Amino acid sequence: EADIYQTPRYLVIGTGKKITLECSQTMGHDKMYWYQQDPGMELHLIHYSYGVNSTEKGDLSSESTVSRIRTEHFPLTLESARPSHTSQYLCASSPSGGGLNEQFFGPGTRLTVL
Amino acid sequence: DAKTTQPPSMDCAEGRAANLPCNHSTISGNEYVYWYRQIHSQGPQYIIHGLKNNETNEMASLIITEDRKSSTLILPHATLRDTAVYYCIVRVWENTDKLIFGTGTRLQVFP
Repeated sequence: EADIYQTPRYLVIGTGKKITLECSQTMGHDKMYWYQQDPGMELHLIHYSYGVNSTEKGDLSSESTVSRIRTEHFPLTLESARPSHTSQYLCASSPSGGGLNEQFFGPGTRLTVL
Repeated sequence: DAKTTQPPSMDCAEGRAANLPCNHSTISGNEYVYWYRQIHSQGPQYIIHGLKNNETNEMASLIITEDRKSSTLILPHATLRDTAVYYCIVRVWENTDKLIFGTGTRLQVFP
C-alpha cells in the first residue's frame, strides 16, 4: 500500500479565495507530481519536482504554483480560485533514479470553486 | 512517446478473463508498455509493464505481439472490484516521469 496522502479530500470554496492543496509521502521518494483531471476526462500533468527546491511545469498550463521545501511535502497553491479551477487534483510520487519506476498516486482532492 | 489506441469501453462477466487490447503501432525499440488503472476517480494504480517479452504478476498478464505494435492486458478472473478505467501507456526508459494517460478503456465487470 502506497503511503501518499492528500488533504483535503473535498473542498468547496468561493471565487477569489487562496487555497493550498496538501500532498505528503512517507516513502522517501525524490520525485513528486501533480495531475489535474476533469470528470470523465484524461489526467494531465501540471507540475513535477525531482527533489527539494526543484519544480517544473508539466504539459498542461496551470495557474497554480507548487513548492518543494521538504522531500516529503509538495503543496499546490491557487492564489485566487476561479470556477475554471474546478477539477480533481491528484498527487503522485516515484523513486529517484532512471528506469521503470512506477508512480504511486494519492486519493486526490476534488475542488469545486463557486 | 508513442501514441496508443484503446477501445473506449468493454464488458466482462465476473469470473471470466478480461482481455484489454492496446494498439501502439508507432512504438520504437526503446519504449516500454505500461498499464495503469483508475477505480472510480481514485488515484491511478500501476498494474504491469513490459518491453517485448510477456509478463505476469499477481494482478495481471501482459502479452506483447512479436512486432510490438499491440499488446493485451489480461485479468485472468475478473471480479467486480476490477471495474475501472484501464490506461495503456508507452514510455521510453529515460522518460519515466511523464505519464500520458489518454482516455483509456472503461471495463465494466458484471455479476
